[in-house]
Amino acid sequence: DTGVSQDPRHKITKRGQNVTFRCDPISEHNRLYWYRQTLGQGPEFLTYFQNEAQLEKSRLLSDRFSAERPKGSFSTLEIQRTEQGDSAMYLCASSLGGLVWGQETQYFGPGTRLLVL
Amino acid sequence: ELKVEQNPLFLSMQEGKNYTIYCNYSTTSDRLYWYRQDPGKSLESLFVLLSNGAVKQEGRLMASLDTKARLSTLHITAAVHDLSATYFCAVTKGGNYQLIWGAGTKLIIKP
Repeated sequence: DTGVSQDPRHKITKRGQNVTFRCDPISEHNRLYWYRQTLGQGPEFLTYFQNEAQLEKSRLLSDRFSAERPKGSFSTLEIQRTEQGDSAMYLCASSLGGLVWGQETQYFGPGTRLLVL
Repeated sequence: ELKVEQNPLFLSMQEGKNYTIYCNYSTTSDRLYWYRQDPGKSLESLFVLLSNGAVKQEGRLMASLDTKARLSTLHITAAVHDLSATYFCAVTKGGNYQLIWGAGTKLIIKP
């Protein structure tokens, strides 16, 4: 298994455009997370899926943001009408739930770096 | 609201020295994680700590947890250049799977 993958790795867009990112989790992982990280800061939680169900959304996730995980496999994160403040690294992570309680670790992908001009 | 503070935020040290990074969190947490991030790269899991007094070691890194003090430490022994990175701690609580992160400690180890 090659780990969590994300595509694209870099995206430059103009303000007002829509962008979509893809995340492919580790194949047997049932949980998937999206985080956003700006320079010099720790990641900030955006949303969480268990299988195909989106169970949690941060208040950071405005109505311009939408995430899906059809069939409980890969996930997409779409940002509509991008703003300069959306420029950040978008990280996806996955984990395997149902193990011995507390042992669950989130494994991160390489991230998609977004620059909004 | 669960908050996480790390200190120092920046640390420059010589190879061969020992040092400790501190992670404080504001309310009771179930799990505490340490991650490493190299420049421009993603996050690599180092340790997960669950219970009071837990200690885990991997090579020159040792992490410990004091849940009463709401404090975790990451101790570096005889530092080597390859350990240069940014180290993050993160906590989670209850059935909430989202990780709440510290701002990170940028560690530079000079030969």
